[in-house]
Amino acid sequence: QKEVEQDPGPLSVPEGAIVSLNCTYSNSAFQYFMWYRQYSRKGPELLMYTYSSGNKEDGRFTAQVDKSSKYISLFIRDSQPSDSATYLCAMRGPGRRALTFGSGTRLQVQP
Amino acid sequence: DSGVTQTPKHLITATGQRVTLRCSPRSGDLSVYWYQQSLDQGLQFLIQYYNGEERAKGNILERFSAQQFPDLHSELNLSSLELGDSALYFCASSVDGPPGDTQYFGPGTRLTVL
Repeated sequence: QKEVEQDPGPLSVPEGAIVSLNCTYSNSAFQYFMWYRQYSRKGPELLMYTYSSGNKEDGRFTAQVDKSSKYISLFIRDSQPSDSATYLCAMRGPGRRALTFGSGTRLQVQP
Repeated sequence: DSGVTQTPKHLITATGQRVTLRCSPRSGDLSVYWYQQSLDQGLQFLIQYYNGEERAKGNILERFSAQQFPDLHSELNLSSLELGDSALYFCASSVDGPPGDTQYFGPGTRLTVL
């Protein structure tokens, strides 16, 4: 079983929809949680970073972490065609700098 | 633009050959990480260097090696290449100072082994 599970999609939504992307994990030592966006054949781009449990908002993006359930989410409001990309969750524990990634969810926002 | 640069963008080579991938971290970042992204395995951590010293190893094959030079750029050497080594190779960098510092990724090198 993988340490981090993520539905690969593809997830197709109409423009303006609210998108919910999720990851579950098994390692309770993970404390730092990130969401990266990756356009086709490009490098992952850091979108959101949260520490431990709670919410963080940045513009149209909200990241949530529920450590008790080992579940993290990324919400995208008012989705745009330019949001079409693969979204990767990543996480790590204290004392370990390398990131453990989910497999990524491919999102398509239809105009 | 993350500030991390990688060369070359594309590399096509044959089985059994050796290649070197190069990475320059963001200004001020001391840590360099190498990741491999393949269709079946996703993004996998290979190795980390901090200020010239190896700090952590992940799923790196013995045929692969890396180093970080005094100017902090890093090279990933892949030898005795096999078809299965075809993948995107990403370099990331971070300050590696505060516990919560994050990694910024380069554009990647696409390796095709024929």
